[in-house]
Amino acid sequence: AQKITQTQPGMFVQEKEAVTLDCTYDTSDPSYGLFWYKQPSSGEMIFLIYQGSYDQQNATEGRYSLNFQKARKSANLVISASQLGDSAMYFCAMRDRYGGSQGNLIFGKGTKLSVKP
Amino acid sequence: DAGVTQSPTHLIKTRGQQVTLRCSPKSGHDTVSWYQQALGQGPQFIFQYYEEEERQRGNFPDRFSGHQFPNYSSELNVNALLLGDSALYLCASSSRQGLVAEQYFGPGTRLTVT
Repeated sequence: AQKITQTQPGMFVQEKEAVTLDCTYDTSDPSYGLFWYKQPSSGEMIFLIYQGSYDQQNATEGRYSLNFQKARKSANLVISASQLGDSAMYFCAMRDRYGGSQGNLIFGKGTKLSVKP
Repeated sequence: DAGVTQSPTHLIKTRGQQVTLRCSPKSGHDTVSWYQQALGQGPQFIFQYYEEEERQRGNFPDRFSGHQFPNYSSELNVNALLLGDSALYLCASSSRQGLVAEQYFGPGTRLTVT
């Protein structure tokens, strides 16, 4: 069965420093998609970055990059130059094998990131 | 460009009652998915609607039902509410046009069952 594991319930980082949020996944499919979402206290899930299993390069979006290690089945999120506004819950997710590009998302339990001034 | 909107923002219901939550997708999106997020957990998929039909369903009982209207908006209905139904209900929309159907989420409806 497909599964997402986030082992860090909470993380602290000093403002302006980089932080890595861990995510491992389990799937037997050769084709899959991995996502990272940010959820502030307001509740809305904000899309950050996407990595396809066949993408040759690690995905980057501004201060966000995804450290994709396929053999280890890990897709860690790296946030560079942390800002106070980065304090939020962060969820790693995988697209369900059924439904193709429209498949629903399977989420991990999340990591609460706190940025210290 | 309006994003995904949900109503109401908060709702308090009593056990055994029924509730309807509403979602309007992002402009240009035709697919709506619903998720339940219990406190301290990641969202769990309930079901997905496209062309006014339920296309995929997660592991939720029949008490959870939905509907999609011709304008792509959607409703989530929960009957015979249980205390365990208390959660944040998230609606996400996407488009079948793209290769990667990125899901855009709304702000959610926080349901409390007493």
